[in-house]
Amino acid sequence: AQSVTQPDIHITVSEGASLELRCNYSYGATPYLFWYVQSPGQGLQLLLKYFSGDTLVQGIKGFEAEFKRSQSSFNLRKPSVHWSDAAVYFCAVASLGRRALTFGSGTRLQVQP
Amino acid sequence: DTGVSQNPRHKITKRGQNVTFRCDPISEHNRLYWYRQTLGQGPEFLTYFQNEAQLEKSRLLSDRFSAERPKGSFSTLEIQRTEQGDSAMYLCASSSLPTGDMNTEAFFGQGTRLTVV
Repeated sequence: AQSVTQPDIHITVSEGASLELRCNYSYGATPYLFWYVQSPGQGLQLLLKYFSGDTLVQGIKGFEAEFKRSQSSFNLRKPSVHWSDAAVYFCAVASLGRRALTFGSGTRLQVQP
Repeated sequence: DTGVSQNPRHKITKRGQNVTFRCDPISEHNRLYWYRQTLGQGPEFLTYFQNEAQLEKSRLLSDRFSAERPKGSFSTLEIQRTEQGDSAMYLCASSSLPTGDMNTEAFFGQGTRLTVV
């Protein structure tokens, strides 16, 4: 069975600082990996996705993520955080045989001025 | 707005009552998913449809839950004899069919928040 672990429940960073949110997955074959963001009162919005190819993927809002098969990780990064990035971030995995997403429990990002 | 639409946005019901939620997916999307999200957790998969066929149901989907997608368009999720543990956000998502081995993005609605009192 596939699973996703987001070890950090809550992270606080200063505006302008860099950000890395951790995601580890468990799945036997090549996974399809996603990062979603959920802001208060908003639906889940896709930031970026990895299916195959280049292991460094670029997304919206200046986010990027790197797939590392050896570490079963798909960490999300942003070089300079903006106050509007405060939200809950979810990592998710899907598979060729099972299209439904398995989500991690999320990381809440707080941005200090 | 051509995104995924869910109604109602909020529902408060008494324990034991039945409730029904509606999801209107993006019009050209063949796949429709239902998820449940409790406070502080990520969404958990409940069930999904490809066109009108319900292809997978999670063990989370007890006998009190039923989902339909008549004609492969909108979907309804019904909960019978609601319990306090059913209180959650119910999310709907839709996606197009995968191309080859490429998965496709799921677009989410804003959800229906259910409170059972």
